[in-house]
Amino acid sequence: SQTIHQWPATLVQPVGSPLSLECTVEGTSNPNLYWYRQAAGRGLQLLFYSVGIGQISSEVPQNLSASRPQDRQFILSSKKLLLSDSGFYLCAWSGRAQKETQYFGPGTRLLVL
Amino acid sequence: AQSVTQLGSHVSVSEGALVLLRCNYSSSVPPYLFWYVQYPNQGLQLLLKYTTGATLVKGINGFEAEFKKSETSFHLTKPSAHMSDAAEYFCAVSDQHRGSTLGRLYFGRGTQLTVWP
Repeated sequence: SQTIHQWPATLVQPVGSPLSLECTVEGTSNPNLYWYRQAAGRGLQLLFYSVGIGQISSEVPQNLSASRPQDRQFILSSKKLLLSDSGFYLCAWSGRAQKETQYFGPGTRLLVL
Repeated sequence: AQSVTQLGSHVSVSEGALVLLRCNYSSSVPPYLFWYVQYPNQGLQLLLKYTTGATLVKGINGFEAEFKKSETSFHLTKPSAHMSDAAEYFCAVSDQHRGSTLGRLYFGRGTQLTVWP
């Protein structure tokens, strides 16, 4: 069966510091991968998606970037965090057979102070 | 374009009562529709989905939803609420279509379900 991992689970960072959040998927090959942010009262916002290694599409211009160095690894980064980057970050995957269905990871809670 | 409206950001029911969470969608293609549940500080868990076929879809934890094309609705129901159902529920529509390599999900703003003892 497929599983999706995210780490860290919780992170507190000062403004201006760098960020690296990692997401890995097990039990499937060549998945589509997604990064979402969930801010209080603002629902889920799609940040990035990837259909393959090195292929990244950005949905919203912002302070963040994403990379996919391996087939089942998706990384969310920032060089300098802003207060507005605080939120709950969710990674998701969908398979080639049922690409319309996304499965979510446990999330990372980021607090920027 | 795809969009989802969830009517009621908060719904409260008594334990044992009917749960009804409303979702209306807009889609430029035949829709794929989803309900997800989120418990505090956790990710989203897929409850059920409609892609094709039978319009009444059964999911986990006793939930079901009915796709009504004429009403552009996909309301979520459960005959008898349980305390463990207290969570936030998200309706979503996909823009997936034939030949596409990617299906984006468009989420509603969520409905917080409270269950009173």
